[in-house]
Amino acid sequence: GAVVSQHPSWVICKSGTSVKIECRSLDFQATTMFWYRQFPKQSLMLMATSNEGSKATYEQGVEKDKFLINHASLTLSTLTVTSAHPEDSSFYICSALDRGKTNEKLFFGSGTQLSVL
Amino acid sequence: DAKTTQPNSMESNEEEPVHLPCNHSTISGTDYIHWYRQLPSQGPEYVIHGLTSNVNNRMASLAIAEDRKSSTLILHRATLRDAAVYYCILRNNYGQNFVFGPGTRLSVLP
Repeated sequence: GAVVSQHPSWVICKSGTSVKIECRSLDFQATTMFWYRQFPKQSLMLMATSNEGSKATYEQGVEKDKFLINHASLTLSTLTVTSAHPEDSSFYICSALDRGKTNEKLFFGSGTQLSVL
Repeated sequence: DAKTTQPNSMESNEEEPVHLPCNHSTISGTDYIHWYRQLPSQGPEYVIHGLTSNVNNRMASLAIAEDRKSSTLILHRATLRDAAVYYCILRNNYGQNFVFGPGTRLSVLP
C-alpha cells in the first residue's frame, strides 16, 4: 500500500516553544491531507483538512492560530503547534488522501507523540 | 455524516476466525464502507473497503448485507498481531471527511 511518512515520531518540548510535525506522501500525490489528534484510549479527532495551495479548513473548536498548517506541495503538509502548553500533549496523526482510479483511500503516518513539559 | 455502530470490544482466540460487525442503518447509496485498524502507538492502517459486493484481500474479507445497513469484517485466522482497534467508517467520494467513531477493540488470546 501507499506510504505516508510522519516525523518526528516523538518530541518533548518546554512550555512556550513551537513544534513542527511533517507529513509526507512518499509514492503518490496528495492534494488533501488530514490532521488528527488522539488522547489515550480515545478515538481519533479530526483537527483540520489541509488542501495543497490553499488555506486549511479547521474543525470547530480548533484554534487555527495555535495549530498552523501548511500544505505547500503535493507531497508535504506540516503542522506547527505554536507556544505549546502541557494541555497540547497528545498523539498527533496525519493522513493523506489517495484519489485512486476507483475510489479514495486514506493512508496514515505513524503518528507523533508530543509531550510538553 | 452517516454514523456507524460497533461493539466496544471483542475477544478471539488465536488462529480462529473473527467476525467484527458494523451497523450503518443510515447509509446512503454513494457511501463506501471502509475499515481501518490501529495497533497500539501507531497510526491507523487501511484494511479493506467496499460498496455493495463482498470484498476479499490479503488481510481480510468484507461481507456487506444485501440492504447495506450492516457489514462484517472477517479475519480468517486471528493472530496476536491482529490485536488492535478496528474502525468502520462510511464515506462517499465527494470530499467528505473520514470520521472515526470509538471502534471495536479486538483482543486476541494465545
